[in-house]
Amino acid sequence: EAGVVQSPRYKIIEKKQPVAFWCNPISGHNTLYWYRQNLGQGPELLIRYENEEAVDDSQLPKDRFSAERLKGVDSTLKIQPAELGDSAVYLCASSQFSKTQYFGPGTRLLVL
Amino acid sequence: AQRVTQPEKLLSVFKGAPVELKCNYSYSGSPELFWYVQYSRQRLQLLLRHISRESIKGFTADLNKGETSFHLKKPFAQEEDSAMYYCALQGSGGSNYKLTFGKGTLLTVNP
Repeated sequence: EAGVVQSPRYKIIEKKQPVAFWCNPISGHNTLYWYRQNLGQGPELLIRYENEEAVDDSQLPKDRFSAERLKGVDSTLKIQPAELGDSAVYLCASSQFSKTQYFGPGTRLLVL
Repeated sequence: AQRVTQPEKLLSVFKGAPVELKCNYSYSGSPELFWYVQYSRQRLQLLLRHISRESIKGFTADLNKGETSFHLKKPFAQEEDSAMYYCALQGSGGSNYKLTFGKGTLLTVNP
């Protein structure tokens, strides 16, 4: 089993530029999560999907962040425009319903 | 609100010594507690969960509801245990999907 796949692994952009991250969950996992992990902190949930529906996006900064999960499988998280404070690792995780969450390798974003 | 506290940012022990990574939590209901581990250049992975009551790689953790703690223990540390360890809490009821993580403890096992 491949596990959760994320791309790109690293991204360096200048502030005010857009950026997008992609996640492919484990096959059969209906629930998908996006987390942000700032330096020296634990991961913090941004958004959760059940199938294609975003059931909790209360922690997503909606002025600049957006996410979608077309067809209830792959998901994309976008930031537009990026700010210096968005530098972090963006983690995707998936699970079967509310069971154990399996994490991807993350995308390390640096905004200059 | 749910909160997880890991009081030690760094923990250094010698190989063969016992190790205990502390985790305290705050939650009004009956939580599920987890320990996740991240080895160098690897992804975050589940080490153990309290409901399983199992020992993984020699590690155990007991949920103490009275002290609201879920400390991770291993009697004899190995160099390969060096990693970042995160304690996490999953609530019950309406928030039963949400994992709240502590800030993590970096464990270094010296030869």
